[in-house]
Amino acid sequence: GQQVMQIPQYQHVQEGEDFTTYCNSSTTLSNIQWYKQRPGGHPVFLIQLVKSGEVKKQKRLTFQFGEAKKNSSLHITATQTTDVGTYFCAGPGAGTYKYIFGTGTRLKVLA
Amino acid sequence: GAVVSQHPSWVICKSGTSVKIECRSLDFQATTMFWYRQFPKQSLMLMATSNEGSKATYEQGVEKDKFLINHASLTLSTLTVTSAHPEDSSFYICSAAHSDTQYFGPGTRLTVL
Repeated sequence: GQQVMQIPQYQHVQEGEDFTTYCNSSTTLSNIQWYKQRPGGHPVFLIQLVKSGEVKKQKRLTFQFGEAKKNSSLHITATQTTDVGTYFCAGPGAGTYKYIFGTGTRLKVLA
Repeated sequence: GAVVSQHPSWVICKSGTSVKIECRSLDFQATTMFWYRQFPKQSLMLMATSNEGSKATYEQGVEKDKFLINHASLTLSTLTVTSAHPEDSSFYICSAAHSDTQYFGPGTRLTVL
């Protein structure tokens, strides 16, 4: 079945360092979504990418959708302690509105 | 806007009992809702798709007789964990589809003793 993998699984960075998580799908995606889940919380929608090669920015976060629409990345510049959490990508599954979540990358920022 | 609530936020029950979890879209109508289960430090695993007015669609490996889903209105879906056992202890999260986006509820932490 469809699989969405993310690397790395965990990342510890010093505050101020950059961070990147990579998302790879076993199938071509019509779009990809990114979510952030704070410890003890629920996933919160960050962004959706639709076009091949698309790049979107949200302040210190840069999201990219691969040319082949099978991979994506999230880059955070100059991490802050508020960036702590698990970042998930999610790709459409078979069925309306259905999404398959990636394995997630847990980010820890050391002050 | 686009707020989803879940009730209860946590529940502790004895093995063999049934537990009902409610998921409500507060400010929009959702014909489709989703139920996920998340074990500690793991990803969200989709359990089923809940469709208003019709039977839920379960993912492979999810027992439909154990996890009963009812989506009786455009703002409410319920998940009942029947005859719960300790291995059912998990974080259950619902989401509601709205404008091509999923909005997640705060989750329900179930502990079965």
